[in-house]
Amino acid sequence: QVQLVESGGGVVQPGRSLRLACAASGFTFSRYPMHWVRQALGKGLHWVAVILSDERNKDYADSVKGRFTISRDNSKNTVYLQMNSLRTEDTAMYYCAKGYGDYDLFFDYWGQGALVTVSS
Amino acid sequence: QSVLTQPPSVSGAPGQRVTISCTGSSSNIGAGYDVHWYQQLPGTAPKLLIYGNTNRPSGVPDRFSASKSGTSASLAITGLQAEDEADYYCQSYDSSLSALYVFGTGTKVTVL
Repeated sequence: QVQLVESGGGVVQPGRSLRLACAASGFTFSRYPMHWVRQALGKGLHWVAVILSDERNKDYADSVKGRFTISRDNSKNTVYLQMNSLRTEDTAMYYCAKGYGDYDLFFDYWGQGALVTVSS
Repeated sequence: QSVLTQPPSVSGAPGQRVTISCTGSSSNIGAGYDVHWYQQLPGTAPKLLIYGNTNRPSGVPDRFSASKSGTSASLAITGLQAEDEADYYCQSYDSSLSALYVFGTGTKVTVL
């Protein structure tokens, strides 16, 4: 069965960096787009970034563009989110989500999340 | 910011039918992009409930159904059960905003 397991969350000071990882199993990882979606405590869901199956095409929400970088290593079945210049408003649970297909614009499986807290 | 609007909460007794609306605009739902729905049980990750406006993934009970019309969509739960108490989010794609994949504001379903 499909499993997505996030790691790398923690407490970090404003302006610092953190890298999240999401290890995938149970499907042919290289064939699918992968996303990051975040959710502040008690709030709604917000899409953060996507990387398509070709590893080259990526896109970001404006709120993180220029600060966050999504990447993937198909040999390790892992997707990453490098978060730089973190702000207090980046505090959230970060979910890794599998895209149904490069041109199917929804998420069919989600990980359990990694909590990121940005605080001085 | 969420660009798809949902009611903050709906409630119903066990066995009743409840509906959740999802209102978008001409740049997302009205542009022809599909609407998808997710269920988030307390303390857990979201789970795909409906995709492509009306389709249920394997394992989702048929008491969940959805539709789309114009710039809006709706999710219906018939025969409401205690385990349906959760947050529900609609999601679509938007070609004009700062986030391509957009979610609704979320609706808390309470089973009385």
